[in-house]
Amino acid sequence: GQQVMQIPQYQHVQEGEDFTTYCNSSTTLSNIQWYKQRPGGHPVFLIQLVKSGEVKKQKRLTFQFGEAKKNSSLHITATQTTDVGTYFCAGKDNYGQNFVFGPGTRLSVLP
Amino acid sequence: KAGVTQTPRYLIKTRGQQVTLSCSPISGHRSVSWYQQTPGQGLQFLFEYFSETQRNKGNFPGRFSGRQFSNSRSEMNVSTLELGDSALYLCASSFDRGHEQYFGPGTRLTVT
Repeated sequence: GQQVMQIPQYQHVQEGEDFTTYCNSSTTLSNIQWYKQRPGGHPVFLIQLVKSGEVKKQKRLTFQFGEAKKNSSLHITATQTTDVGTYFCAGKDNYGQNFVFGPGTRLSVLP
Repeated sequence: KAGVTQTPRYLIKTRGQQVTLSCSPISGHRSVSWYQQTPGQGLQFLFEYFSETQRNKGNFPGRFSGRQFSNSRSEMNVSTLELGDSALYLCASSFDRGHEQYFGPGTRLTVT
């Protein structure tokens, strides 16, 4: 079945440093979504990418969907302590039967 | 508009008991998905309901079941609880599969 992996599993950065998490799917995705879960909270939708090679920006966050629509990345420029949390990618394969979450990347930002 | 609500927020049960969790989706959303979240396993998909029909099911034993009512509210039931069922159970509503999901605050279940 479809598998979605994320690397790294954990990342510790100093405030002000950049951060990137990568998401890889075993199958071609029709779309990919990114969610953020703060400690003690629930996942919150950040963005959805649909087109091959698509790039979207939200302030300091840049999201990219790979050309083959099997991978994606989230890049945060100049991290802040408010960026702390776990970032999940989630994708729906082309057959539309499964919507699978990656295991997440937990980001810690040291002030 | 009001967000996704889940009740109860916390629950403590004993092994062998059963439990029912409730989820009220955002108004207008007909898809409700349930997830189990544990520290070591991330978000594990349980099942998805759409217009009162189970449309998709994850790899969980038959002890886990659910249903959806005509007003899109959903319940999930776990029978014969085991210690390993201790987890945060999240429900998420969306307009349809593949659309952005809005998560509720979750029900934290502890099985002793």
